[in-house]
Amino acid sequence: NAGVTQTPKFQVLKTGQSMTLQCAQDMNHEYMSWYRQDPGMGLRLIHYSVGAGITDQGEVPNGYNVSRSTTEDFPLRLLSAAPSQTSVYFCASSYARDRSYEQYFGPGTRLTVT
Amino acid sequence: SQQGEEDPQALSIQEGENATMNCSYKTSINNLQWYRQNSGRGLVHLILIRSNEREKHSGRLRVTLDTSKKSSSLLITASRAADTASYFCATSTGGGNKLTFGTGTQLKVEL
Repeated sequence: NAGVTQTPKFQVLKTGQSMTLQCAQDMNHEYMSWYRQDPGMGLRLIHYSVGAGITDQGEVPNGYNVSRSTTEDFPLRLLSAAPSQTSVYFCASSYARDRSYEQYFGPGTRLTVT
Repeated sequence: SQQGEEDPQALSIQEGENATMNCSYKTSINNLQWYRQNSGRGLVHLILIRSNEREKHSGRLRVTLDTSKKSSSLLITASRAADTASYFCATSTGGGNKLTFGTGTQLKVEL
């Protein structure tokens, strides 16, 4: 199994540009989520999904969109990039509903917005 | 807002010593998890303790949970240089998978 994969690993955007961060998992996990990690602030939840076709907002959703058309993929879209979105983005997945809640993380995407 | 706060923020010890990190949280939880993050990498799950458990062991890791004090501790015994990493606690409230992470403890184990 590849686990959780994320692309790209690095990205530089100009203010106002849009882009999609890709996330895929091959473990048949129902639950997927996106976090951002900023220095000294730990990880903050952006959006999450409990299954295909179901998404919900986390703690810091503004400026981001998600969709979940398949179990495997959970892309994160930046609509109009801002310097405040400079961060490291992590995707994670896990089983849901009374199974182990251990979350598996991807390697991250380091995004810089200039 | 952060649910968990780790203490200390940074910890430097010698190889072979024990390392203890503490986590405090604010609201009632279903479970508390600890994760490790090596520099520039994604997080790796270490151990999960449920709200009705008080102590759990996994290899050189020992986790305690005190729900009355809303706190947890992670003990790494006989630390190794390879344990150098950041350690995060994460709490789950309500329906399971949503995690709220603390700010982390940076552990450095020196030879």
